Amino acid sequence: GAGVSQSPRYKVAKRGQDVALRCDPISGHVSLFWYQQALGQGPEFLTYFQNEAQLDKSGLPSDRFFAERPEGSVSTLKIQRTQQEDSAVYLCASSLQGGEKLFFGSGTQLSVL
Amino acid sequence: SQQGEEDPQALSIQEGENATMNCSYKTSINNLQWYRQNSGRGLVHLILIRSNEREKHSGRLRVTLDTSKKSSSLLITASRAADTASYFCATDADDSWGKLQFGAGTQVVVTP
Repeated sequence: GAGVSQSPRYKVAKRGQDVALRCDPISGHVSLFWYQQALGQGPEFLTYFQNEAQLDKSGLPSDRFFAERPEGSVSTLKIQRTQQEDSAVYLCASSLQGGEKLFFGSGTQLSVL
Repeated sequence: SQQGEEDPQALSIQEGENATMNCSYKTSINNLQWYRQNSGRGLVHLILIRSNEREKHSGRLRVTLDTSKKSSSLLITASRAADTASYFCATDADDSWGKLQFGAGTQVVVTP
């Protein structure tokens, strides 16, 4: 596709469930980012990949959060044992290289009940 | 924690007026970017200004950067209803290549 695609668009999980969020970046984009956005706030950095290498995961809130990009294209953000505080919009973005001019997907809105 | 702080938090103007919003940041940067977000959508890149630049234009957008004050401003001229959105500044700190930090945003409402 022409843009960054995220699925699912909405996800409702019961507390304690595991969830997996998918991101299809723009073809040829080397860099991929995950951000978490709470209501009324700006995006908060979670993690960053260059090709398949996870170069920075300093923003992941806890060891329940795990991200991968095994073949350097599609990425999955996994959250284990979800908690209510995990409820947020999770945004994926990609770029040709590095942190300039990011292209964002529409996000996955996660609600943990 | 967020690096940038936008001011004002919210701005309401009429079509045709100019909208100005400011961003302050804390650490040295490589560049500063502005993004727009329509309700329920992802962010859209508007403009990037590098640390050695002072002013940049793109269509109806004008961005300034003052690295001595660690601040930037975004001016939207002759605003339109379609400019209604939240606007975020993002910085790429010079010791964290690739990692963007966003402010909390300015919510702009343009009424016809």
